Amino acid sequence: SYVLTQPPSVSVAPGQTARITCGENNIGSKSVHWYQQRPGQAPVLVIYFDSGRPSGIPERFSGSNSGNTATLTISRVEAGDEADYYCQVWDSDSGHRVFGGGTQLTVL
Amino acid sequence: EVQVLESGGGLVQPGGSLRLSCAASGFTFDAWDMSWVRQAPGKGLEWVSAISGSAFSTYYADSVKGRFSISRDNSKKTLWLQMNSLRAEDTAVYYCAKDQKVHGMDVWGQGTTVTVSS
Repeated sequence: SYVLTQPPSVSVAPGQTARITCGENNIGSKSVHWYQQRPGQAPVLVIYFDSGRPSGIPERFSGSNSGNTATLTISRVEAGDEADYYCQVWDSDSGHRVFGGGTQLTVL
Repeated sequence: EVQVLESGGGLVQPGGSLRLSCAASGFTFDAWDMSWVRQAPGKGLEWVSAISGSAFSTYYADSVKGRFSISRDNSKKTLWLQMNSLRAEDTAVYYCAKDQKVHGMDVWGQGTTVTVSS
């Protein structure tokens, strides 16, 4: 089964670019999704199918996936982007869904 | 408005049972898989279980297999999670989510809290 590895924390200054990684062997062959969860709130889908952006999600959020690493990129970071971010895949062989351990994004 | 609303959480003793419900509205319920995802206090998201739109296929995380059962009634647009033999480590906020598999979980409820304690 998949084990998705994320850095526990990432810090970035306002206006800079934040990159959050999600690692697993050959993750590039899977569709990776990303969720934002602010404290006390439910998760929100911010990127689907590696790089798709749901309606209402700012263009500052983008995603990529290749080889053994998927990446969520947040450009021009704002204070409101401070949250926990989780990657997730669907294992079509087992039907299981797998979440990464989560990354806490801190805006300095 | 597209939404899902969980209910049924509460305090239960170890070894006890609880049934969670999730009421859906605003989308074609039977066209989509549905998942339960939980989050223990101060921890990350953990996928628990999923069910296909037709209810033909069900899937469970190893941590709950044999103790939890997922089901749905498409005529009532309702999803359930029957939780038996509950343990302290099942204490969490349980979320219901519309699950598009290769397109992610795009609709989430606000969650219902389950506390397993004596």
